[in-house]
Amino acid sequence: DAGVTQSPTHLIKTRGQQVTLRCSPISGHKSVSWYQQVLGQGPQFIFQYYEKEERGRGNFPDRFSARQFPNYSSELNVNALLLGDSALYLCASSSGQNYGYTFGSGTRLTVV
Amino acid sequence: GDSVTQMEGPVTLSEEAFLTINCTYTATGYPSLFWYVQYPGEGLQLLLKATKADDKGSNKGFEATYRKETTSFHLEKGSVQVSDSAVYFCALSPGGNYGQNFVFGPGTRLSVLP
Repeated sequence: DAGVTQSPTHLIKTRGQQVTLRCSPISGHKSVSWYQQVLGQGPQFIFQYYEKEERGRGNFPDRFSARQFPNYSSELNVNALLLGDSALYLCASSSGQNYGYTFGSGTRLTVV
Repeated sequence: GDSVTQMEGPVTLSEEAFLTINCTYTATGYPSLFWYVQYPGEGLQLLLKATKADDKGSNKGFEATYRKETTSFHLEKGSVQVSDSAVYFCALSPGGNYGQNFVFGPGTRLSVLP
């Protein structure tokens, strides 16, 4: 079975640009979450979606947005990129609460 | 708010040494606790979990016991291998509704020397 897949794996953008990251959850998983991991730190929660509805939002500016599609895949959008947005963006899916999340390998975003 | 504290790394051990990575947490309610491992250039892999007090999670020789009285979830392994070299993250999930997110500690880098 395929795990959580994220695309692209690496991305370089210029300050001020916009970026869209994509995530396909494990088949049957209806919950998708996004995390930002800055180099040398633990992941920080950005969003959680369940059944296409936003169920949680971390302490990130409105430049960050996301959505979940009917097939439970998800996109994370970041507008007006800043140098500080450079990080590994991780997507995780779960079949339900307290079962633990399965993480993808992430998208490495570099803003120059 | 909820938080997770881990011992600072890096931790450097010789092969077959005993490993302990300390983790303590602050949370309201009754969280579930997890250890994730991250190998270089990869995402996070679930190592083990415990969902209630006194539960012991175990996997691949690693163990951790959910201690509510000390709010701790220390990771242990009796004999580490070079292949265990990675960054280890302790995390909690507040539980309850699906809108609850994970809170991660800062990670502890482990290097095992042959």
